[in-house]
Amino acid sequence: DTAVSQTPKYLVTQMGNDKSIKCEQNLGHDTMYWYKQDSKKFLKIMFSYNNKELIINETVPNRFSPKSPDKAHLNLHINSLELGDSAVYFCASSQEAGGHGFFGQGTRLTVV
Amino acid sequence: LAKTTQPISMDSYEGQEVNITCSHNNIATNDYITWYQQFPSQGPRFIIQGYKTKVTNEVASLFIPADRKSSTLSLPRVSLSDTAVYYCLSAGFNKFYFGSGTKLNVKP
Repeated sequence: DTAVSQTPKYLVTQMGNDKSIKCEQNLGHDTMYWYKQDSKKFLKIMFSYNNKELIINETVPNRFSPKSPDKAHLNLHINSLELGDSAVYFCASSQEAGGHGFFGQGTRLTVV
Repeated sequence: LAKTTQPISMDSYEGQEVNITCSHNNIATNDYITWYQQFPSQGPRFIIQGYKTKVTNEVASLFIPADRKSSTLSLPRVSLSDTAVYYCLSAGFNKFYFGSGTKLNVKP
């Protein structure tokens, strides 16, 4: 009965590949997010969607593209993966933008 | 000037009260302040959120002064299981500023 679930939990892939991470929330929230946590544990917001519309798009390479087919899903597609993309990616949701956020368990991406 | 700053680490002993302060240099009028707790290999978990003055729930208190340029998370009587990284966040509709996290180490 996980509130925010993301798959896969671990992803190991080679440089240059394209990969996707999926996220679903069953809380009925209007806003969803993608965060990146690097090896130093810094948390940075990447994207935010409110009612399927993009409201935050931080300085992220164009190789990263979020897709929200509906309010309950926000997937992250990454093209041409680079070594520096290795990190833990968290999906989260909240009822309103900037509100009390619920995080998924994270996807540890390792690019080799 | 860093937007949101907090101490890198703190040590405490079981049963003590712990206060972690965060500076919110770029907080905007409509931004809320939120604190999260993160254990290794888990996602951040919401602790408390406030706008100004004091907020208290079953696990923590949050103190925000009138100018809102800082916030203090207060954890009463910590236990070993409170050892974690604590993040502060000031966020509005379309901007989020996380602190770099404070690693709290609770000793027996």
